[in-house]
Amino acid sequence: DVKVTQSSRYLVKRTGEKVFLECVQDMDHENMFWYRQDPGLGLRLIYFSYDVKMKEKGDIPEGYSVSREKKERFSLILESASTNQTSMYLCASSPPGRYEQYFGPGTRLTVT
Amino acid sequence: SQQGEEDPQALSIQEGENATMNCSYKTSINNLQWYRQNSGRGLVHLILIRSNEREKHSGRLRVTLDTSKKSSSLLITASRAADTASYFCATPPTSGSRLTFGEGTQLTVNP
Repeated sequence: DVKVTQSSRYLVKRTGEKVFLECVQDMDHENMFWYRQDPGLGLRLIYFSYDVKMKEKGDIPEGYSVSREKKERFSLILESASTNQTSMYLCASSPPGRYEQYFGPGTRLTVT
Repeated sequence: SQQGEEDPQALSIQEGENATMNCSYKTSINNLQWYRQNSGRGLVHLILIRSNEREKHSGRLRVTLDTSKKSSSLLITASRAADTASYFCATPPTSGSRLTFGEGTQLTVNP
């Protein structure tokens, strides 16, 4: 079974802090994605990556950056956390040539 | 804007009944997927239907796709309390693997 893990289930940070959200998948998938999920807005794509050291902006990249130094790990970085970044963050991966995505359990981030 | 839109937003039924959720989308697709999300958890892929397919089954799930109407439906037969979750449709563009999700249907199955 594909396993996607995220570093924290719950996280509380202060405004202005730098926040790292880590995602690791164990199935050698090339594609990895970061979403945020908010009530009434559904899932929105922040960034995605098709390969190591490669990244593409999604629909809402502002205020975020990503890092993919190894194939299995995709990190989401909030350079200076703000209260409007309070959300559920979901990581996903998919193998090349396939469309279905495998999701991690999510990180609920609260910025105070 | 969201590619997929689910309908209804919320659905409450009794155990044993069938549940039907609908999804409409705007642009051409090469497949459509359905996912389930239990409260506070990640999404789980349920089923994928390709644009040249009209119907697909997986256990108690039946998915239909009407590309002329740009719509899909997910039917869960003989529902169980454990089916309580949010259900999302998702579509990729004609090239590439990124998905666009709808806002989901919240299904509650009462025991």
